[in-house]
Amino acid sequence: GAVVSQHPSWVICKSGTSVKIECRSLDFQATTMFWYRQFPKQSLMLMATSNEGSKATYEQGVEKDKFLINHASLTLSTLTVTSAHPEDSSFYICSAEGLVSYEQYFGPGTRLTVT
Amino acid sequence: GESVGLHLPTLSVQEGDNSIINCAYSNSASDYFIWYKQESGKGPQFIIDIRSNMDKRQGQRVTVLLNKTVKHLSLQIAATQPGDSAVYFCAETVGDSSYKLIFGSGTRLLVRP
Repeated sequence: GAVVSQHPSWVICKSGTSVKIECRSLDFQATTMFWYRQFPKQSLMLMATSNEGSKATYEQGVEKDKFLINHASLTLSTLTVTSAHPEDSSFYICSAEGLVSYEQYFGPGTRLTVT
Repeated sequence: GESVGLHLPTLSVQEGDNSIINCAYSNSASDYFIWYKQESGKGPQFIIDIRSNMDKRQGQRVTVLLNKTVKHLSLQIAATQPGDSAVYFCAETVGDSSYKLIFGSGTRLLVRP
């Protein structure tokens, strides 16, 4: 149980285009999902907290107009990187909060490369 | 801002030996800590957690120790195996209704055969 999937697992896009990444909780409902970014050999940095049916809460320094988050259902949150640039190339990881407080289940990550 | 950091960026151990990975945290108000294992190209995998009202918790081959006095957390892995090779992160929770995780910088564990 408590499986989180991400799609796609990797994507290559051209500079200036937009890319959408999906995060799904497969066997549980998640009112809260989190999006992280991880650069090579670095730690995970929280980008935003996504709440079902409401606007996402972004961390300081994260541009909400660039990283659009939609949490339209209890099992799906999407992150859209708009007008992507090479510096947006990173490993994007989502997590979903389980029914028991404090538990977060992580997805396998999405490798984004912007050329 | 608050941060969670690690003392050692890389730890190399002989297969079968015990491993100790350390972590220092700075937010004295944090009340929940988790250790994650991350293999290359994958998401973090939960290993073990501990609440601030405890100082030790044991799992299968792993033990987490919490010293709130010096704000220090450690992960002990007994009889380290090649499959334990990965990057290990400690994380602390900061939050009210949703528990945001703040991750440490990570330690790479290399297990020599």
